[in-house]
Amino acid sequence: ETGVTQSPTHLIKTRGQQVTLRCSSQSGHNTVSWYQQALGQGPQFIFQYYREEENGRGNFPPRFSGLQFPNYSSELNVNALELDDSALYLCASSLALSSYNSPLHFGNGTRLTVT
Amino acid sequence: KNQVEQSPQSLIILEGKNCTLQCNYTVSPFSNLRWYKQDTGRGPVSLTIMTFSENTKSNGRYTATLDADTKQSSLHITASQLSDSASYICVVSPTNNFGNEKLTFGTGTRLTIIP
Repeated sequence: ETGVTQSPTHLIKTRGQQVTLRCSSQSGHNTVSWYQQALGQGPQFIFQYYREEENGRGNFPPRFSGLQFPNYSSELNVNALELDDSALYLCASSLALSSYNSPLHFGNGTRLTVT
Repeated sequence: KNQVEQSPQSLIILEGKNCTLQCNYTVSPFSNLRWYKQDTGRGPVSLTIMTFSENTKSNGRYTATLDADTKQSSLHITASQLSDSASYICVVSPTNNFGNEKLTFGTGTRLTIIP
């Protein structure tokens, strides 16, 4: 059973640029959620994808967008990067049945630094 | 507004000692509460999960308690080890149905174990 993998592990971008982060979900999981975690804070929900469709979105602007592919892998795209976008971006996969029976399985994140 | 508050913000203890971390929540309705461990630069890993009908749950040296009446939970770590140094995050869900946008994360307690 493979776990959740994210790439790249670290990334440095300039303000105004665009970035794409990638996530491969755990085997058998069809739901992917993306989180932004600022230093010293808990993860903040960005959005969730279930069977290739967005299914729930947090309080993030439209320049944060995503995709889920037929193999359930996912991408997070951020346009017009701002300095405040610097954070650890976490991807988590789960079975879309029950938050009790199927906890979130997190990847190790992508550390994004915007200069 | 649903909130999860954790205390203390940070804690330093000697190796071999016990410690207790606190989590107070105002999430309503309440379905389940989960404790995650997050090592520096890594994604969170689930330690325990409890529903409103459960008072205690153990996972090795980790024991979580829940008082659904007072909306408080604690995580007790026994005989601490250097590898316990991490952030511990409390996460509350109002529903057992999938919909991870409803999860409320605490900001975590940063635990440091010193030899």
